[in-house]
Amino acid sequence: DTEVTQTPKHLVMGMTNKKSLKCEQHMGHRAMYWYKQKAKKPPELMFVYSYEKLSINESVPSRFSPECPNSSLLNLHLHALQPEDSALYLCASSQGVYPGGEKLFFGSGTQLSVL
Amino acid sequence: QQQVKQSPQSLIVQKGGISIINCAYENTAFDYFPWYQQFPGKGPALLIAIRPDVSEKKEGRFTISFNKSAKQFSLHIMDSQPGDSATYFCAATSSGSARQLTFGSGTQLTVLP
Repeated sequence: DTEVTQTPKHLVMGMTNKKSLKCEQHMGHRAMYWYKQKAKKPPELMFVYSYEKLSINESVPSRFSPECPNSSLLNLHLHALQPEDSALYLCASSQGVYPGGEKLFFGSGTQLSVL
Repeated sequence: QQQVKQSPQSLIVQKGGISIINCAYENTAFDYFPWYQQFPGKGPALLIAIRPDVSEKKEGRFTISFNKSAKQFSLHIMDSQPGDSATYFCAATSSGSARQLTFGSGTQLTVLP
């Protein structure tokens, strides 16, 4: 199994809603990532978990709250989002905790629309 | 100094032609240069990668050319096919570093049948 599975594929939410994005991998990878991607732009790193601990937070607003319940799962909890947060949210994983030279495996993403 | 500049922004090629996408970097600490391919509605997928100890790497129809002195690298797609139509991102990082990938701005490739 070389897949990173993300659910849901699409999500529409209001600015007062609370929702969660889920990501799962069964490759035994030790690092998991959340990226945000706007249309026609490259992915922007949001968070990195190494060995289930948050290692990098790229100054992401607190309305985005990551969680790593175990080595295979990664969640992104969303609360009080703004319309400008509408984007494709990508989860990725890598074998090693330092991505330099590591292959990143991306999921297909969750297309989020904030109304 | 962390930027990776990618060109062109979009590229249209006839089937069977050669597609060439260029990237340039400034940070001399970069030593790993992957290319990611992204189809609509999908996440990026690693296509091919190179380290600066070689000047060229070929995998099937895809070749990376690397010029360390010019701090430039490029992706060549030979015999381009309509199925190659996608967005291509170059990237760079330092091996063994906690620094993450620095992506280029992306090139939208369209291969006409």
